Amino acid sequence: DVKVTQSSRYLVKRTGEKVFLECVQDMDHENMFWYRQDPGLGLRLIYFSYDVKMKEKGDIPEGYSVSREKKERFSLILESASTNQTSMYLCASIRQGNDEQYFGPGTRLTVT
Amino acid sequence: AQSVSQHNHHVILSEAASLELGCNYSYGGTVNLFWYVQYPGQHLQLLLKYFSGDPLVKGIKGFEAEFIKSKFSFNLRKPSVQWSDTAEYFCAVKSYGNNRLAFGKGNQVVVIP
Repeated sequence: DVKVTQSSRYLVKRTGEKVFLECVQDMDHENMFWYRQDPGLGLRLIYFSYDVKMKEKGDIPEGYSVSREKKERFSLILESASTNQTSMYLCASIRQGNDEQYFGPGTRLTVT
Repeated sequence: AQSVSQHNHHVILSEAASLELGCNYSYGGTVNLFWYVQYPGQHLQLLLKYFSGDPLVKGIKGFEAEFIKSKFSFNLRKPSVQWSDTAEYFCAVKSYGNNRLAFGKGNQVVVIP
């Protein structure tokens, strides 16, 4: 079974803090994604990566950055957390040519 | 860019009732279509998918979906729901040659015992 893990299930941070969300997949997938999930808005793509050190902006990249130094790990960085970044963050991965995305359990981030 | 519409964000129904959730997408051409489900407190997981072939696809837990190309639709159905089908359901579309999925806003389904 594909396994996508995220470093924390729940996280509480203060406004202005730098926040790192980590995602690891164990199936050698080329593509990895970060989404945020908000009630009534569905899943919105923040960033994705199709290879090590490669990244592309999604639909809502403002306020976020990403890092992919190793194939299995994709990090989402909030440089200076703000209250409007309180959300559920989901990581996903997919093998090139295989169209089913596998999701992690999510990190519920609260910024106070 | 591809966009996906799901209507009736909140659906409440009784056990044994039939369920149909609509999904429409904006861009034609070759697409791959998905329905994902998120049970309370759990991961998003794949319910069913359509890549090609028979437009009526069957998924887990008695769900099925029909792809109608002329209507840009991929509606999800279940003839008789159970309390355990209470979940949020998301339709997603991938355009050929693009690694990104476009998601709808989801349907929150509550099944009353």
